[in-house]
Amino acid sequence: GQQVMQIPQYQHVQEGEDFTTYCNSSTTLSNIQWYKQRPGGHPVFLIQLVKSGEVKKQKRLTFQFGEAKKNSSLHITATQTTDVGTYFCAGLPNYNQGGKLIFGQGTELSVKP
Amino acid sequence: EAQVTQNPRYLITVTGKKLTVTCSQNMNHEYMSWYRQDPGLGLRQIYYSMNVEVTDKGDVPEGYKVSRKEKRNFPLILESPSPNQTSLYFCASSLVRASGANVLTFGAGSRLTVL
Repeated sequence: GQQVMQIPQYQHVQEGEDFTTYCNSSTTLSNIQWYKQRPGGHPVFLIQLVKSGEVKKQKRLTFQFGEAKKNSSLHITATQTTDVGTYFCAGLPNYNQGGKLIFGQGTELSVKP
Repeated sequence: EAQVTQNPRYLITVTGKKLTVTCSQNMNHEYMSWYRQDPGLGLRQIYYSMNVEVTDKGDVPEGYKVSRKEKRNFPLILESPSPNQTSLYFCASSLVRASGANVLTFGAGSRLTVL
């Protein structure tokens, strides 16, 4: 079935190091969204990418949508302890199955001060 | 404040004892959905609803029921809970846009333990 694979599952970094998480879909996506879940919290929407090759930035966070609209990445420059949490990508299949988002497994980021 | 409210937040129950987790949103969203979160498996969709009286199965619907009699409410029913339904449950809602690009607002989560 439709899948969105996200890697790595866990990432431990020293504060100040960079971090990247990757999502790959088995089929073309019409858009992809990213969510952040703080420890003990709930997922919160970060951003949505729609166009092929799109790049968006939010301060130290850079989001990319692949040219084929089947993969995406989130890169954090110079991580801080406030970046700790689990980052999820969620893709909307191109055939728009009732607006049903497919979530990746998430990448749990820990940052050592 | 625009929000999705789930209750209870924490529940410990025993196998076979019916329970309902309520979900309510105050944003007039058409779309509502239930997810369960388990370590290493991410967020898996249980059921979703595109509007009142319209519900459909997600990826892991077995053992669950839902109803959507009012736009704001989308309760999750476990008729006969089993230990494999021990999980963290999230309700989420969104507008339904023509592009299908629905941005989800999540509730705070309900941690369920079935003994």
